[in-house]
Amino acid sequence: DAGVIQSPRHEVTEMGQEVTLRCKPISGHNSLFWYRQTMMRGLELLIYFNNNVPIDDSGMPEDRFSAKMPNASFSTLKIQPSEPRDSAVYFCASSPQDRGAQPQHFGDGTRLSIL
Amino acid sequence: GENVEQHPSTLSVQEGDSAVIKCTYSDSASNYFPWYKQELGKRPQLIIDIRSNVGEKKDQRIAVTLNKTAKHFSLHITETQPEDSAVYFCAAEGGNAGKSTFGDGTTLTVKP
Repeated sequence: DAGVIQSPRHEVTEMGQEVTLRCKPISGHNSLFWYRQTMMRGLELLIYFNNNVPIDDSGMPEDRFSAKMPNASFSTLKIQPSEPRDSAVYFCASSPQDRGAQPQHFGDGTRLSIL
Repeated sequence: GENVEQHPSTLSVQEGDSAVIKCTYSDSASNYFPWYKQELGKRPQLIIDIRSNVGEKKDQRIAVTLNKTAKHFSLHITETQPEDSAVYFCAAEGGNAGKSTFGDGTTLTVKP
């Protein structure tokens, strides 16, 4: 089991640019979560999907953020245009929810710096 | 929605001492309570979890207790070691397709 795979691991870009973060969940997991982590705000849930369908996007900061899950093995989080305050570590996590509540498995995260 | 409060925000103990982290939750429908450990620069990882039909669970030096009536649960680490130094997150989950509400985290420092 390769675990949750995120790319890129690090991203440095200038404000105004489009940023795309990618996530491959663990095979067989049907729930996928995107989190943002900063020192000031801690670990924030941005959006989560169940069976590829967005269930709750109330944590998405604003319209500059969008997320998609076109199939069970791939999800993207886009920021357009990016701003310095978007600098954070973004985690993707997955879990198998078809057997009741289960722990979430986190990827290694993408460290995003917007200059 | 669910609200999880975690205390203390920072905890410093001497190696060999015990550490206790406490969390409270608001939604009585929550039935799953995982604890995650996040080392510096790493991802959060599950260390122990408990379900609502159990009052206590142990795994070597780590234990979790749950009081459903009072809506609180706690993490106990005995014989702490420097490698236990990390940020610990509690979480509570109900029936929302796996959505966990996380506490704000506790930074544990174990001094050698």
